[in-house]
Amino acid sequence: EPEVTQTPSHQVTQMGQEVILRCVPISNHLYFYWYRQILGQKVEFLVSFYNNEISEKSEIFDDQFSVERPDGSNFTLKIRSTKLEDSAMYFCASSLVGGGPHEQYFGPGTRLTVT
Amino acid sequence: AQSVTQLGSHVSVSEGALVLLRCNYSSSVPPYLFWYVQYPNQGLQLLLKYTTGATLVKGINGFEAEFKKSETSFHLTKPSAHMSDAAEYFCAVRAWFSGGYNKLIFGAGTRLAVHP
Repeated sequence: EPEVTQTPSHQVTQMGQEVILRCVPISNHLYFYWYRQILGQKVEFLVSFYNNEISEKSEIFDDQFSVERPDGSNFTLKIRSTKLEDSAMYFCASSLVGGGPHEQYFGPGTRLTVT
Repeated sequence: AQSVTQLGSHVSVSEGALVLLRCNYSSSVPPYLFWYVQYPNQGLQLLLKYTTGATLVKGINGFEAEFKKSETSFHLTKPSAHMSDAAEYFCAVRAWFSGGYNKLIFGAGTRLAVHP
């Protein structure tokens, strides 16, 4: 069964460093998402991406964050200058159709630890 | 604006007992409602969803949920817990339309423990 994959599973970085989290969505999907979960808190929406542009973003997704689909298979989340409060589990998701009742398929997550 | 509240961050049941995980939502427009499960070191997997029509929704692994508009609830149940049901469960809501139709709004999650 097709699945969303994410690398690395765990990333440790120092405050102020740039990190890139990588995701390979399901191959025929058209909509891509990033969510994050700070330890002990809710899963929060960050951004959705369709047709090579951001379709929606939350207030969390400020200028420090960017997303890219550099080729036909990868979808990346870049944090330019990490802060301690960026430590969280980051989930990538994809869907064939956006919105409505359509399921988003999630990857296993990347745990980002900022020290 | 939409929100989801899951009552009980941890629930513990005996094997064979009823599982009841509570979810209440707030939405100014008709909602789509979802339950996801996360097993250790895995991604979120869809258990079931409510769209329109029948308010009792059946999902995978013997789970079901009932949409009650009057109570703004979408509680998840399973008649008989199995050890393999131990996981974290997330309730989520999405608007039918308007801005923000793509994103899922999640509850805080409920960790289910099943003991022999």
